[in-house]
Amino acid sequence: SYELTQPLSVSVALGQTARITCGGNNIGSKNVHWYQQKPGQAPVLVIYRDSNRPSGIPERFSGSNSGNTATLTISRAQAGDEADYYCQVWDSSTVVFGTGTKVTVL
Amino acid sequence: EVQLVESGGGLIQPGGSLRLSCAASGFTVSSNYMSWVRQAPGKGLEWVSVIYSGGSTYYADSVKGRFTISRDNSKNTLYLQMNSLRAEDTAVYYCARCYDPDDAFDIWGQGTMVTVSS
Repeated sequence: SYELTQPLSVSVALGQTARITCGGNNIGSKNVHWYQQKPGQAPVLVIYRDSNRPSGIPERFSGSNSGNTATLTISRAQAGDEADYYCQVWDSSTVVFGTGTKVTVL
Repeated sequence: EVQLVESGGGLIQPGGSLRLSCAASGFTVSSNYMSWVRQAPGKGLEWVSVIYSGGSTYYADSVKGRFTISRDNSKNTLYLQMNSLRAEDTAVYYCARCYDPDDAFDIWGQGTMVTVSS
């Protein structure tokens, strides 16, 4: 079965840039979606189809996908960006989520 | 307003059954691809099942043969029938919508907690 690997945690200084990776075999050939989840809340879509932002998501959130790695970038990080982040793809009519990354804003 | 509201969670003994419901408003369940996603306490997201707009269903290996996803078009509601429940099924269960089977889940419910314990 297909697997997506993310770093357990990423720390970023306030106002700096955080990059969260999502590794998978030839993931560049798939559409990757990213979700933000804060404690006690449902996930929220922040990037769809590799690099598209839903309405209401700040331009500070961006995404890329190539080869075996997809990346979510959070620019000018704010305290409110502290959350868990998950990547997600479809594989043979099933859904695969990444292992999740906890982002801490210092 | 487009939203999903889950219900039906609770405490159930191992081996028992439970049916979760997910009521949709602002859109038609049968025209979309609807999934159940769960999250065990302190763990990551785990996909459970999907029902396509055409009616095809798919399941994670961990629940195949025990869980059944369905929908009632007249009630615009999604269901998850869970049988032979195990302790490892303890989780918050979310329903979520996407437009096609390569797209993102753009709408999520608030979740309903299922606890399997004696």
